Order: sequence, then structure tokens, then C-alpha cells
Amino acid sequence: DQQVKQNSPSLSVQEGRISILNCDYTNSMFDYFLWYKKYPAEGPTFLISISSIKDKNEDGRFTVFLNKSAKHLSLHIVPSQPGDSAVYFCAANDRGGNQGGKLIFGQGTELSVKP
Amino acid sequence: DSGVTQTPKHLITATGQRVTLRCSPRSGDLSVYWYQQSLDQGLQFLIQYYNGEERAKGNILERFSAQQFPDLHSELNLSSLELGDSALYFCASSVSWRDEQFFGPGTRLTVL
Repeated sequence: DQQVKQNSPSLSVQEGRISILNCDYTNSMFDYFLWYKKYPAEGPTFLISISSIKDKNEDGRFTVFLNKSAKHLSLHIVPSQPGDSAVYFCAANDRGGNQGGKLIFGQGTELSVKP
Repeated sequence: DSGVTQTPKHLITATGQRVTLRCSPRSGDLSVYWYQQSLDQGLQFLIQYYNGEERAKGNILERFSAQQFPDLHSELNLSSLELGDSALYFCASSVSWRDEQFFGPGTRLTVL
């Protein structure tokens, strides 16, 4: 039972354009969502998060949107840069439950930003 | 650099053996998490400790165990190793279980 899904294994974008990475979840108890970026042979790097009481959070070039009714979140990167090329994971957490620290990860989307 | 350190970086061992992976959390973080990343399973949560106590458990095998010491570093013990245990093992830490988690560089375990 995959509770967090990233349906696009890969995405290719031109430098300077917008990158949109999508994530769907099934568990309505999730109340905290995070995006991580991962390079090969390195650990995931935290990018941005959003609580379920918000529908948008922005940090520099990165914006995360949350649509609770659709159980969908997306990460927008504007403008995209070649250094953004990596695998992006979304993750979800039910902080109110007895497994409060457990992150459920999607399978990842590999972003390639072409110069 | 996330501030989370893991040793060793690489580990090669044989089936049936036992290994210990070590993690030091970021300064000030009380929560430590262990995750396994294998090719077919993605990033899977194993176990969490908060200030020395087990807080949450995922699908961790009985052959695996972990602990968090008074200085807050953590160790993950893997025993009776099988070929399928070959994976990347990540440690993460956070101030509390309600906060974002920061990951270490990982330990790549290869079981031959």
C-alpha cells in the first residue's frame, strides 16, 4: 500500500523555465509534508515543508502547494537551474499519531534541467 | 553538510555476519531516525528514538536492532545478514518528531 506516490519517474526542463513536481497521498491523517532533494551517493537534503493548515509555502525559488481535498501537493522551482538536477522526494508525516516521527516517502522524480 | 554524521561510509561483509552502523545527530537534536534505501523499495522508515527512548517503529526486521545512547548518538545493529540486506542506510535527526528531519550521508552496506 503506497501511501505517497510520485507518478512521474523523470522530468526534463529547460534552464530558466518552471519545474513542477507532483505528489499524491492517500492517508488523510497526514498533516505535514516535506520535499527533499537527493544527489547520487549523498543523503537527502531538506528543501521545504508545509503544514496541512496552509495551502502554500514559499522559500526563495521553491514553492510548495497543498490541495488537501485532492490529496495532492506540488513543488514549483522558478527559475530552474542546471544545479537543480537531482532526484526529488516528497514525504508525509502524521505528527498527531503514535508514529509521529515516521516519514513516508514517495518513489522520487528525477529532474534534469538542460542548459 | 547537514551536521549529521554516519560511519562507516562503506561496509562490505558476508552473509551471516553482524555489523554496526553509527550515527551522530546534529547538535541539539533529540530525535534520531533510521531509514533503508534499496533499489526496489525506495526510502523505508526503520525506527526512531527520542532522547534515548524508542518512539516509533517501522517494518524493521527482528534481526535488526537499534539504540540511542545518553550522548544521543545512535547505533543500528544488523545481524545474520542476508544478500537482500544490501542497501543504503540513512540516519536522520530532528529537534523533535514534529520537525523537519536532516539526513546524514548514509552507509552503503554490501552483503556478499
